[in-house]
Amino acid sequence: DGGITQSPKYLFRKEGQNVTLSCEQNLNHDAMYWYRQDPGQGLRLIYYSQIVNDFQKGDIAEGYSVSREKKESFPLTVTSAQKNPTAFYLCASSPRPVDSPLHFGNGTRLTVT
Amino acid sequence: GENVEQHPSTLSVQEGDSAVIKCTYSDSASNYFPWYKQELGKGPQLIIDIRSNVGEKKDQRIAVTLNKTAKHFSLHITETQPEDSAVYFCAGASGGSYIPTFGRGTSLIVHP
Repeated sequence: DGGITQSPKYLFRKEGQNVTLSCEQNLNHDAMYWYRQDPGQGLRLIYYSQIVNDFQKGDIAEGYSVSREKKESFPLTVTSAQKNPTAFYLCASSPRPVDSPLHFGNGTRLTVT
Repeated sequence: GENVEQHPSTLSVQEGDSAVIKCTYSDSASNYFPWYKQELGKGPQLIIDIRSNVGEKKDQRIAVTLNKTAKHFSLHITETQPEDSAVYFCAGASGGSYIPTFGRGTSLIVHP
């Protein structure tokens, strides 16, 4: 079945450590996105990529980094510079970055203590 | 960029009643408006969408209406069932970048 896979489902890290969240899709979609979800805040865009080897900052990119070396993969690194990293992270993809629906993974819940 | 406001933040209904969630947007160039349903512990899933060239779209118990002049669109769920309980998000795509901006979500609770 085609879909978008995020791993792991739960991730625990100590403060000061970088951590990388995995996102893989086999839908052959060009565009991929990372969102952060906090209670009452909706979905806030961290980074997006419309094509391989290219990506742009979203609304809350500070403290995060991404890469897009392959069409199917868009990993997100949460660095120690992110002041409030504990959150639910959602990865999504779409066939094209123009008026098409997003397909979401089931998220990774990151807890930093 | 686009700004999307969603109301109410919480909606509680009895099974069988109708539920309506409303969103407003700011960018008059936006032309695509999806609605997503998010169940607990999962990612959002598209349930219905509408493009700016139509005013209404239906899919069984779900409908979406769009008023481009007033820049608002609404989700209507009829004959609600307990399995409709979830968080619902609207989104609008900015005419410039086409990157969707989401509303803050509505928690719908359907009481049996």
